Amino acid sequence: AQTVTQSQPEMSVQEAETVTLSCTYDTSENNYYLFWYKQPPSRQMILVIRQEAYKQQNATENRFSVNFQKAAKSFSLKISDSQLGDTAMYFCAFMTRGAGSYQLTFGKGTKLSVIP
Amino acid sequence: DTAVSQTPKYLVTQMGNDKSIKCEQNLGHDTMYWYKQDSKKFLKIMFSYNNKELIINETVPNRFSPKSPDKAHLNLHINSLELGDSAVYFCASSQDFLTQYFGPGTRLLVL
Repeated sequence: AQTVTQSQPEMSVQEAETVTLSCTYDTSENNYYLFWYKQPPSRQMILVIRQEAYKQQNATENRFSVNFQKAAKSFSLKISDSQLGDTAMYFCAFMTRGAGSYQLTFGKGTKLSVIP
Repeated sequence: DTAVSQTPKYLVTQMGNDKSIKCEQNLGHDTMYWYKQDSKKFLKIMFSYNNKELIINETVPNRFSPKSPDKAHLNLHINSLELGDSAVYFCASSQDFLTQYFGPGTRLLVL
């Protein structure tokens, strides 16, 4: 069974600063995908960034980037130039092919507060 | 032009009642999902349907029954509601499995 661990229940960062959210996972699979989702107070789940395990290059989406360390099974999210709108719960998620379908397994989330 | 919509957004009901949550997606996706987010924010998959066929059924009490009348709809019916069913329920859909589009969630409170 796959597990996803986010060791930081809460974090805060000053506006315009950089913050890194940690995520580790456990799997025996070789082909899988990793995601970071954002859930603002509106509750909407929004995909932030995605990483394919077979790609060595770290994914980047504007101010969001990941540090993917496959051997260490680590997948951290770096948010640069933090903005007030980045305040949200952030969920790390793992996807692999289960019986008949691809299935997302989520971590317990990190609550990020951006301070003006 | 909402991609994935859920109704109702809030549902307050008594223990023992039967209730349904509806989900519709207008993205033309083949696969739809139901997730449960508990009070500690933990999000866990419950069901997945592909082209109206059940393909994932996690360890969920059989009081929960998904129903897919067509590819664009996946409704969740819950019988004999219990206090522990209180949670936020999210519907999602995907076409390429990599990107799941989530609905806004339905907050269920069982009294």
